[in-house]
Amino acid sequence: GENVEQHPSTLSVQEGDSAVIKCTYSDSASNYFPWYKQELGKRPQLIIDIRSNVGEKKDQRIAVTLNKTAKHFSLHITETQPEDSAVYFCAARGGGGADGLTFGKGTHLIIQP
Amino acid sequence: DGGITQSPKYLFRKEGQNVTLSCEQNLNHDAMYWYRQDPGQGLRLIYYSQIVNDFQKGDIAEGYSVSREKKESFPLTVTSAQKNPTAFYLCASSPTRTGYEQYFGPGTRLTVT
Repeated sequence: GENVEQHPSTLSVQEGDSAVIKCTYSDSASNYFPWYKQELGKRPQLIIDIRSNVGEKKDQRIAVTLNKTAKHFSLHITETQPEDSAVYFCAARGGGGADGLTFGKGTHLIIQP
Repeated sequence: DGGITQSPKYLFRKEGQNVTLSCEQNLNHDAMYWYRQDPGQGLRLIYYSQIVNDFQKGDIAEGYSVSREKKESFPLTVTSAQKNPTAFYLCASSPTRTGYEQYFGPGTRLTVT
């Protein structure tokens, strides 16, 4: 089955700086890669996603890049703000049907004032 | 994701008892999913359903059972056979049968003692 590795587990950046979180996946047939933001005790919220036929997608301060050859994808947050502090999860959906998502273990992003 | 509800928010049970977690959605979504989240871990797929009266095992289905008698409802039963049932349980739904764009409910925190 699919395996998703996520790094780093904790990331501390100064407010206004950029943050980058990286994930690798194992199944070359995976075709959908969402990112979720989860605040303490709350539900994960879908913040951006990318499909395998696209290399990059941007939504305001958030962008995701995908390298299918290397089987890795990354989340980029620019001009970080205090409300960006949360745990971020990457995930991959395997090819061939609705197998659900395989998640990374999460990155705790801390925005320092 | 406001159209996905889970109840109760907190649930306490004694070891050896079965317990059923509720998940309802009014979004007319086809697919529904159950994930389990443990502290410091990503989400892991328990079961999913693409259509009424059909469901598939995920990565960690042992000790769990589900039903999908109505499109809006996908209850999860945690049986006494589940060795470590204490966790945060999250239900999700997707407008497609292929698993894209999964939106989560608020979760049920189950504690078994």
